[in-house]
Amino acid sequence: GESVGLHLPTLSVQEGDNSIINCAYSNSASDYFIWYKQESGKGPQFIIDIRSNMDKRQGQRVTVLLNKTVKHLSLQIAATQPGDSAVYFCAEGGRDDKIIFGKGTRLHILP
Amino acid sequence: NAGVMQNPRHLVRRRGQEARLRCSPMKGHSHVYWYRQLPEEGLKFMVYLQKENIIDESGMPKERFSAEFPKEGPSILRIQQVVRGDSAAYFCASSPGAGSQETQYFGPGTRLLVL
Repeated sequence: GESVGLHLPTLSVQEGDNSIINCAYSNSASDYFIWYKQESGKGPQFIIDIRSNMDKRQGQRVTVLLNKTVKHLSLQIAATQPGDSAVYFCAEGGRDDKIIFGKGTRLHILP
Repeated sequence: NAGVMQNPRHLVRRRGQEARLRCSPMKGHSHVYWYRQLPEEGLKFMVYLQKENIIDESGMPKERFSAEFPKEGPSILRIQQVVRGDSAAYFCASSPGAGSQETQYFGPGTRLLVL
């Protein structure tokens, strides 16, 4: 079965607030994680990745945190904007050539 | 610099017909991956190809599905004798190198509807 899953299927956040999307994984040997954003009718768009030798990585308005002890990672989006509305997938790489996707969290931005 | 291109974007087929989905990777990318996505679900890996070679097809159904990536031209995912359960979005991704730690860039997908 899948080793990557998400805690919440839907997240509603006020515009301007920070968003935190969580993800759990089960394989302690996993060494590479990716967050993708998928807007309606489009393909997944790479946001940020992190390797297991790191516990934090920052991009533009996004931060990914990796906690290997509890096998958990999160995506933080600062100052959430209407354009951030999408489904966010955490995905696991590093095993063979596959990327294994979780089911996704839908992010709603409230005005 | 064009991204990954897929066509058609939408495809309607009747049960028993064939579906051909095309994917042109990003310029300079020689690794292609196909994924299937059902509504409200994540993407599921199907097959990984390099030019003229299938590297990993562990996610592809053994019957009716085939994939190729010829020396010239796009990668093709072919579904023979389609059934209603084949209705899904099919995404292609490409990467410049091998392995799942290379960033994969996704195309817009082909949405297949089987009537």
